[in-house]
Amino acid sequence: EAQVTQNPRYLITVTGKKLTVTCSQNMNHEYMSWYRQDPGLGLRQIYYSMNVEVTDKGDVPEGYKVSRKEKRNFPLILESPSPNQTSLYFCASRLTTGGAFTDTQYFGPGTRLTVL
Amino acid sequence: DQQVKQNSPSLSVQEGRISILNCDYTNSMFDYFLWYKKYPAEGPTFLISISSIKDKNEDGRFTVFLNKSAKHLSLHIVPSQPGDSAVYFCAASGAQKLVFGQGTRLTINP
Repeated sequence: EAQVTQNPRYLITVTGKKLTVTCSQNMNHEYMSWYRQDPGLGLRQIYYSMNVEVTDKGDVPEGYKVSRKEKRNFPLILESPSPNQTSLYFCASRLTTGGAFTDTQYFGPGTRLTVL
Repeated sequence: DQQVKQNSPSLSVQEGRISILNCDYTNSMFDYFLWYKKYPAEGPTFLISISSIKDKNEDGRFTVFLNKSAKHLSLHIVPSQPGDSAVYFCAASGAQKLVFGQGTRLTINP
């Protein structure tokens, strides 16, 4: 089954404790992305990757890191989480890297992160 | 600065009637527009899209209309069904960016 998986689905942590949210897709997609969803703000892009070893900042990259060492995986790293990073996070992937998003983007089920 | 706006946080519609969800954008460089649907505890799923060179795209019960001069798009669902109850996000794309609106929670009442 074609899918994007994220782990963990729920996480409660404390300020400053490094964490990683994993993302994996089994569709051989080139483009992968991370979003956060906050009330009243919709989904905002954190980072994206157009291929292995190629990553770029989205609209809200501060406090986050990513890596793309393999095509299927795109982990999101919070080196020193803070309470303002409490949010619902989504990983997404799509086949091509065209600028117009004309091909379907598939989203993972989400990771709800709480930073105390 | 919110480049894509959905000004109605929620909408309630009777089953069988038409649901109309609205979206406004500010950036003229956007050239492709999409609607996503999201159920609780799931990721958004693609619903329908439209290119900036068109003014209408239809897929079954779903139709998206684009008014470029007004920088406005709308999603029409007819007839509305209980399974359509979800949060709907509009999104606009261009230059490797996909910008989402805040979302509208649609509730279909029996």
